[in-house]
Amino acid sequence: NAGVTQTPKFQVLKTGQSMTLQCAQDMNHNSMYWYRQDPGMGLRLIYYSASEGTTDKGEVPNGYNVSRLNKREFSLRLESAAPSQTSVYFCATRRGVTTLGNTIYFGEGSWLTVV
Amino acid sequence: AQSVSQHNHHVILSEAASLELGCNYSYGGTVNLFWYVQYPGQHLQLLLKYFSGDPLVKGIKGFEAEFIKSKFSFNLRKPSVQWSDTAEYFCAVNGDTDKLIFGTGTRLQVFP
Repeated sequence: NAGVTQTPKFQVLKTGQSMTLQCAQDMNHNSMYWYRQDPGMGLRLIYYSASEGTTDKGEVPNGYNVSRLNKREFSLRLESAAPSQTSVYFCATRRGVTTLGNTIYFGEGSWLTVV
Repeated sequence: AQSVSQHNHHVILSEAASLELGCNYSYGGTVNLFWYVQYPGQHLQLLLKYFSGDPLVKGIKGFEAEFIKSKFSFNLRKPSVQWSDTAEYFCAVNGDTDKLIFGTGTRLQVFP
């Protein structure tokens, strides 16, 4: 998945701490996404951004904020981490803006543990 | 609102058995449909996708899927599975917005 870079890959947080997951893409894609993956729950969409300057809530936005800093970067922030936010987080990108027919590309994931 | 259901949560097969994994979606308009695979310890990879045209879609590694619009289904099939197909499989749907929704996944175990 060259082209979608997530940092950090691993992080352990204490309850109540804050942190930001960074995502950058060099494919000149318009759309970017943040998902979380939990056993038995599949991938659930947290937030997405159809273009620079816009963000929208997904299926599970509570406890998170996002920033579409520029076309390349889309960050996910946990203001006050909770154990329920222990998960694997995936950033993804796609070329289109409400354009059917565009494949989504995933980053390699960020493993977050909140203790 | 769009949604995806994968009713098979865990499937166990012997090598050479045939595979069919169910995927049903809910959305009233035009859809794009995807199947992704996640091998143990790895990230998601695209198996196949349906955008338009022939409803029978062929993907990598011998997988195929058929889009049946009247049934809102996009089932994944493979005539003869291998041990190396052991993985988790995710169906996903995208309507005419930029929102891409995944199913909860089906864990496939193939025994030699």
